Amino acid sequence: GEDVEQSLFLSVREGDSSVINCTYTDSSSTYLYWYKQEPGAGLQLLTYIFSNMDMKQDQRLTVLLNKKDKHLSLRIADTQTGDSAIYFCAESISYSGAGSYQLTFGKGTKLSVIP
Amino acid sequence: KAGVTQTPRYLIKTRGQQVTLSCSPISGHRSVSWYQQTPGQGLQFLFEYFSETQRNKGNFPGRFSGRQFSNSRSEMNVSTLELGDSALYLCASSLETGNEQFFGPGTRLTVL
Repeated sequence: GEDVEQSLFLSVREGDSSVINCTYTDSSSTYLYWYKQEPGAGLQLLTYIFSNMDMKQDQRLTVLLNKKDKHLSLRIADTQTGDSAIYFCAESISYSGAGSYQLTFGKGTKLSVIP
Repeated sequence: KAGVTQTPRYLIKTRGQQVTLSCSPISGHRSVSWYQQTPGQGLQFLFEYFSETQRNKGNFPGRFSGRQFSNSRSEMNVSTLELGDSALYLCASSLETGNEQFFGPGTRLTVL
């Protein structure tokens, strides 16, 4: 079965880099995602990486994928107070061969940024 | 381009009642997925619709059902509500396959 694990909490000082880690179990995952959720809001798609890539950079965000170890990380450079939120890692798995993918999420990492 | 919209945003019901939640996907998106978010279980997949057909279903009881209309708008229904159904229900849309899903703000359902 599929399972996505994340640490629950991370605290960093404003201006430092944040690194949020995630492990997943399904080697057939095609895409891996990072979502951000602020209090009372839905999920905001931050970035994603295709499973045949090792790294993807998007402005302050860097995603690293180690497919051998099934490990995904999200690095946020120059972390700001506005980055305080819960970050979810998710893997995308195809089911039933119908061209349909569903997301399996981790429990989320609560990032607290100290001014 | 407008994002995913969900109505209503908040809902309070009592045990035994039923509820219908609505989701309008991003224009041009044909796949709609539903998720339940609770503090204990986290985010769990309910079902996914494409071209008015349910393509995929999560591990939820039959009290949870959904449908999709020809304009890709989707509704989900929960019958015979239980206290444990209190949750944030999130809808997500994608172009076709369910990859790159964009989420709405959710409907917060409270069952008393």
